[in-house]
Amino acid sequence: QKEVEQNSGPLSVPEGAIASLNCTYSDRVSQSFFWYRQYSGKSPELIMSIYSNGDKEDGRFTAQLNKASQYVSLLIRDSQPSDSATYLCAANSGNTGKLIFGQGTTLQVKP
Amino acid sequence: DGGITQSPKYLFRKEGQNVTLSCEQNLNHDAMYWYRQDPGQGLRLIYYSQIVNDFQKGDIAEGYSVSREKKESFPLTVTSAQKNPTAFYLCASRAGTSGNYEQFFGPGTRLTVL
Repeated sequence: QKEVEQNSGPLSVPEGAIASLNCTYSDRVSQSFFWYRQYSGKSPELIMSIYSNGDKEDGRFTAQLNKASQYVSLLIRDSQPSDSATYLCAANSGNTGKLIFGQGTTLQVKP
Repeated sequence: DGGITQSPKYLFRKEGQNVTLSCEQNLNHDAMYWYRQDPGQGLRLIYYSQIVNDFQKGDIAEGYSVSREKKESFPLTVTSAQKNPTAFYLCASRAGTSGNYEQFFGPGTRLTVL
């Protein structure tokens, strides 16, 4: 069973701090990794994609990928209360066109 | 505006009734997906289609049916055989180009069985 694992949280950080969200995956064939943000009652929104080992930065967000350790992370710098949401990690399932989603980590940013 | 639309936003169904959820996209995407999300849970794949007139079962297809007669449309029917249909239903699409796995979601339909 191919899986993507996340700590469900909640992860609580003070406003202005760095939030670190982590994800592991079991399928070594996976090449593409995604982070989605989902506000309560809303649909997931794609915020980061990463395909190569290392870091990818976009504004306050940095995605990190380590294929040897099968580990993906998302760092949110200068966290804001508006970042409070559930963050879903996803990996492609080979060439099937499907994504495998983790259960999501709930982030709470406290003013 | 390009995007994915789902209707209705909220749907109430009596037990024993079939209902159809609409999903339309104008992104010219080849692949479309239906997911179900229960409270506090992740996404579970119901059905997906990578090309018109073809679709495959996902992990929880029992009690559901789909069609893909047009590229832009992928309706989902929740049948009376689905034992616990109350959930948040999400439609997604993907460009379908080789190696591109990014999926984009519609706003969702919240189905409640009375």
